[in-house]
Amino acid sequence: KAGVTQTPRYLIKTRGQQVTLSCSPISGHRSVSWYQQTPGQGLQFLFEYFSETQRNKGNFPGRFSGRQFSNSRSEMNVSTLELGDSALYLCASSPSFRPEQYFGPGTRLTVT
Amino acid sequence: GESVGLHLPTLSVQEGDNSIINCAYSNSASDYFIWYKQESGKGPQFIIDIRSNMDKRQGQRVTVLLNKTVKHLSLQIAATQPGDSAVYFCADFYNQGGKLIFGQGTELSVKP
Repeated sequence: KAGVTQTPRYLIKTRGQQVTLSCSPISGHRSVSWYQQTPGQGLQFLFEYFSETQRNKGNFPGRFSGRQFSNSRSEMNVSTLELGDSALYLCASSPSFRPEQYFGPGTRLTVT
Repeated sequence: GESVGLHLPTLSVQEGDNSIINCAYSNSASDYFIWYKQESGKGPQFIIDIRSNMDKRQGQRVTVLLNKTVKHLSLQIAATQPGDSAVYFCADFYNQGGKLIFGQGTELSVKP
């Protein structure tokens, strides 16, 4: 099976802009989670989707949003970008509620 | 609040030696505790998990120990190899939330 894919891999944006990141889970996986990774804060949970429904959300401002499509692919959007949003954004998928999650390589977002 | 923390940020071992990576957690309500490995430029990779009602679980060259009395988790890697060099994260998982709460990570360096 193909692994979790994320596009784009690298992105440079300017403060105030918005960005959309995409994630394609492993075939058959219905749960998709998003995480932000920074040197200072480490890996932090953003949100999790299952069957197009957001089931849980981390402690991030409303500028961070996401959605999941019927084919389980997911997107996350960050509006009004701030310098502090520079991070590696990781997507993970699993068949359902499971501690074993499969991560993609991430999208490196740089905000200037 | 929820937190999973690591005792040491870096660990250097000789090839062939055993490695022990430690982790402390604060929330006793977690359903699982998990170890992930992250190599440079890649997303985290699942290593092993342990249910909260277990004390020990073994995998291939790895053993996870859970001490609920002192809220401590450890990962033991037998016969450490250069390919084990990576950052190791402990995490806890909530069935109801479908999210992982990660610790800060320990960088393991294996000297040949």
